[in-house]
Amino acid sequence: NAGVMQNPRHLVRRRGQEARLRCSPMKGHSHVYWYRQLPEEGLKFMVYLQKENIIDESGMPKERFSAEFPKEGPSILRIQQVVRGDSAAYFCASSPPGNEQYFGPGTRLTVT
Amino acid sequence: DAKTTQPPSMDCAEGRAANLPCNHSTISGNEYVYWYRQIHSQGPQYIIHGLKNNETNEMASLIITEDRKSSTLILPHATLRDTAVYYCIVRVKGSNAGNMLTFGGGTRLMVKP
Repeated sequence: NAGVMQNPRHLVRRRGQEARLRCSPMKGHSHVYWYRQLPEEGLKFMVYLQKENIIDESGMPKERFSAEFPKEGPSILRIQQVVRGDSAAYFCASSPPGNEQYFGPGTRLTVT
Repeated sequence: DAKTTQPPSMDCAEGRAANLPCNHSTISGNEYVYWYRQIHSQGPQYIIHGLKNNETNEMASLIITEDRKSSTLILPHATLRDTAVYYCIVRVKGSNAGNMLTFGGGTRLMVKP
């Protein structure tokens, strides 16, 4: 049973470009969560999704960030017009309904 | 979710038991205690969780006090690979609302040879 998959593992973008981060949950998991970890800081919740629904986006920045979890395919975290402050590790987790979350290896975004 | 307090760092000798404490004095009756760890640069790893009874799995044991205001994660025979930041998190299980994990500062455990 493969774990949570994230790709790419490393992503370099210039200021103003778009970043797309993908997350494939564990088999049988219908809930996906995105967290961000800024350099030398703790993990912060961003958004919680179920298939085709955003359940809680209270941790998402108001602008430039969006997330989706379509009926088919991976969950996508999209950051438009990236800025240097977006440089961070972005972790995805998945869970069955109401149970413990399992994390992927993360995507390290560097904005130059 | 209730707030947790953990010591910022701890050392442990390789092969000895590592006992990581956590205070959660405002825990509610329906909140579980979860433990995760993050080994350098990797994604957090689920370790164990419990409500009020002590729990044990292949990774660790979780001891929760009778009043549930504190708990201890025990790694029975720490190895160098257990060096990580350990997070104690309190949350309601099985609820859509507040399903996120709130990570505090955690305890940085250093296992030394």
